[in-house]
Amino acid sequence: DSGVTQTPKHLITATGQRVTLRCSPRSGDLSVYWYQQSLDQGLQFLIQYYNGEERAKGNILERFSAQQFPDLHSELNLSSLELGDSALYFCASSVVDGDYEQYFGPGTRLTVT
Amino acid sequence: GENVEQHPSTLSVQEGDSAVIKCTYSDSASNYFPWYKQELGKRPQLIIDIRSNVGEKKDQRIAVTLNKTAKHFSLHITETQPEDSAVYFCAASTTGNQFYFGTGTSLTVIP
Repeated sequence: DSGVTQTPKHLITATGQRVTLRCSPRSGDLSVYWYQQSLDQGLQFLIQYYNGEERAKGNILERFSAQQFPDLHSELNLSSLELGDSALYFCASSVVDGDYEQYFGPGTRLTVT
Repeated sequence: GENVEQHPSTLSVQEGDSAVIKCTYSDSASNYFPWYKQELGKRPQLIIDIRSNVGEKKDQRIAVTLNKTAKHFSLHITETQPEDSAVYFCAASTTGNQFYFGTGTSLTVIP
């Protein structure tokens, strides 16, 4: 157990819908990262927050947005869902940003039908 | 930005043999290089990491080497066991920057 929690574990929804994925970082970690992993694919970096502020953006679609709250938990919002958005979404946290260990949560498996 | 390339994409070895996975990076400012192991349907787990001021690091059967001049780093697994079968990802990062991951190597250890 890495100490990073993600909810829900599984999510099944229809095309065009909107969902929210939630992540709670390890106690004391200020940085949260979101990744998308499609079937048999690598880890695609989406976005990073550090202490409530957006730090870096990767290949995140305009239909996706995220935020980090004062208690440091983070939410990833996915809207106008398409079949291709079906994937595992991982959250990771680290003490600060950059050259410190990242610890991954168990992931949320999103299935869009 | 940083570009991390990882080879090979798949690797099969006999149990007891060694496995080597190589990564190259492009940004000379990168100073932290972790390796993650991911079993099917599970989260990536950090197995070993190395910082730019170190050339080699070992942890039991796992070792990582870093060549800053050539901008490449490698994961070495000795005496492989079936439970080593998984996908391995390398990554590179710099202070205050995001992590850049390689595309992964699927390792199969044949009993």
